[in-house]
Amino acid sequence: GQNIDQPTEMTATEGAIVQINCTYQTSGFNGLFWYQQHAGEAPTFLSYNVLDGLEEKGRFSSFLSRSKGYSYLLLKELQMKDSASYLCAVLSHNQGGKLIFGQGTELSVKP
Amino acid sequence: ETGVTQTPRHLVMGMTNKKSLKCEQHLGHNAMYWYKQSAKKPLELMFVYNFKEQTENNSVPSRFSPECPNSSHLFLHLHTLQPEDSALYLCASSQDRTAGEGYTFGSGTRLTVV
Repeated sequence: GQNIDQPTEMTATEGAIVQINCTYQTSGFNGLFWYQQHAGEAPTFLSYNVLDGLEEKGRFSSFLSRSKGYSYLLLKELQMKDSASYLCAVLSHNQGGKLIFGQGTELSVKP
Repeated sequence: ETGVTQTPRHLVMGMTNKKSLKCEQHLGHNAMYWYKQSAKKPLELMFVYNFKEQTENNSVPSRFSPECPNSSHLFLHLHTLQPEDSALYLCASSQDRTAGEGYTFGSGTRLTVV
């Protein structure tokens, strides 16, 4: 079966660094995505990892270890607008391909 | 218009009503999806359409009925819903099922069943 785990909530301080972890168990792994979702809005694409290693994009970086079934999203120089839900999602090529989501991590950035 | 557009943004319906949710994508994508998002739960995949053909129904109750008349439009017809069906319903699209570039989501329809 498919299983994706991430912490439910995290709190961090403006200007700090926060790491949001995601562990997964899936068959037919074909990549891992991170999405950001503000309350009442559409999830928006942040990053995609299909090979092991770190992908950096501005203040956001995402890491993948396929052998460990583990990923993290690193947010640097936190801003208040980064308060949102962060969704980890695994693409499985089983049954033609589908994106399976974790429950999301609600990040609160405090002044 | 660009991206994925969903209407209505909010919907309140009684358990005996019939209503439809609409999704339209202007990205030239070939695959479209319906997801259900309930509080404190992961997004649940409901239906998948690829080139207008339904390729997946994730054990969704028959009171939810999807329709995909063409690659740009997707509907979710609702009838005799239950209060537990209250949730955010998200539509998404991707170039194809491999979706290496990810899915593009609409803003969702917030559904309340009373």
